[in-house]
Amino acid sequence: GAGVSQSPSNKVTEKGKDVELRCDPISGHTALYWYRQSLGQGLEFLIYFQGNSAPDKSGLPSDRFSAERTGGSVSTLTIQRTQQEDSAVYLCASSFRQGDYGYTFGSGTRLTVV
Amino acid sequence: AQSVTQLDSQVPVFEEAPVELRCNYSSSVSVYLFWYVQYPNQGLQLLLKYLSGSTLVESINGFEAEFNKSQTSFHLRKPSVHISDTAEYFCAVTTSGGYQKVTFGTGTKLQVIP
Repeated sequence: GAGVSQSPSNKVTEKGKDVELRCDPISGHTALYWYRQSLGQGLEFLIYFQGNSAPDKSGLPSDRFSAERTGGSVSTLTIQRTQQEDSAVYLCASSFRQGDYGYTFGSGTRLTVV
Repeated sequence: AQSVTQLDSQVPVFEEAPVELRCNYSSSVSVYLFWYVQYPNQGLQLLLKYLSGSTLVESINGFEAEFNKSQTSFHLRKPSVHISDTAEYFCAVTTSGGYQKVTFGTGTKLQVIP
């Protein structure tokens, strides 16, 4: 596609429910990144994909968080048993390859856990 | 590990006045530096980047930043701001060579006052 697409744009969920956030990167971009942006915080790195593998998932805050990427394209970030502290904007970015630092970001998914 | 500090969370400035958004970084090795801009309800966009070469880098919309190794700084400047420059600006750093995640600062909200 022309840009990085994220869905849904907004998600309100009850505490304890599971949620899935989707990222559709720019076609041909092999590197994909997930970040989390909380109020008053910078962007917190979560996970990096090169193709379908995740060489760096050091930023995932707990085992309730997982992510996968299929076909070298779409990625899904799953949060199980959501907690209120999970409320944030989840941003996805892609780049042509690792080492190409011109990241293109999606508009994000605003997750609110009530 | 690298880190980046944006000391100013908000910067109000009158239209057509100059502005400087400050960014300092910490790293024990060579760095690449970036400024991203986030307009309201949009994803982050790369504004400019320093990888090597000239320490002064410019964007297409009149912003410039200068890499100062001795001061470990990468301040963003514009001689005359417009209302349309109202946005949040993020400084980011990564280290050169191999894979290193990009670390973002906490952001500076630039508010241009008519």
